[in-house]
Amino acid sequence: ETGVTQTPRHLVMGMTNKKSLKCEQHLGHNAMYWYKQSAKKPLELMFVYNFKEQTENNSVPSRFSPECPNSSHLFLHLHTLQPEDSALYLCASSHSRGEQYFGPGTRLTVT
Amino acid sequence: RKEVEQDPGPFNVPEGATVAFNCTYSNSASQSFFWYRQDCRKEPKLLMSVYSSGNEDGRFTAQLNRASQYISLLIRDSKLSDSATYLCVVSGAGSYQLTFGKGTKLSVIP
Repeated sequence: ETGVTQTPRHLVMGMTNKKSLKCEQHLGHNAMYWYKQSAKKPLELMFVYNFKEQTENNSVPSRFSPECPNSSHLFLHLHTLQPEDSALYLCASSHSRGEQYFGPGTRLTVT
Repeated sequence: RKEVEQDPGPFNVPEGATVAFNCTYSNSASQSFFWYRQDCRKEPKLLMSVYSSGNEDGRFTAQLNRASQYISLLIRDSKLSDSATYLCVVSGAGSYQLTFGKGTKLSVIP
């Protein structure tokens, strides 16, 4: 399935690195989301964009910086992360407030 | 009370069995309800939306009880391929935010 794609699929970075995660949706949706999934915890919503405008920011630390240049693309810029930020980062998209469709995720390890 | 609460399982059932998952949610203003499944180290995938009148999709039946703030998923004639974690998901009123339960793990055994 190629509805929502994410790159890279795996990322290992040091605490002083800067990296970016990319998400692209090919479903014609207007809303895009970033989620974090840590072991043994439910998915945590990080950011929501609707028609390129950020509508929700769930108290995410500033070391995570989202960017949404258009309705099809979403980025998550990472800098000075901590080991506890290691997790699966999932992108999703939806048409308005409907069902959300997820990308395969980026498995991030911070060393 | 947790926003979305599920029995974590695991549920270990033989092939062909019927299994039921339950979920409760705390926000009475919630508008939309879903079941997702997540395979190990994969992304969640939408299984079905849950409607007030209840709905069925093949071997899967979902029910919603708004008064009790309770959602259920019934799987009949379990297949090995049904083995996964089942996530109960609830959206708020007028919100883009979906709240996910921790999931219930199902293992269907030959």
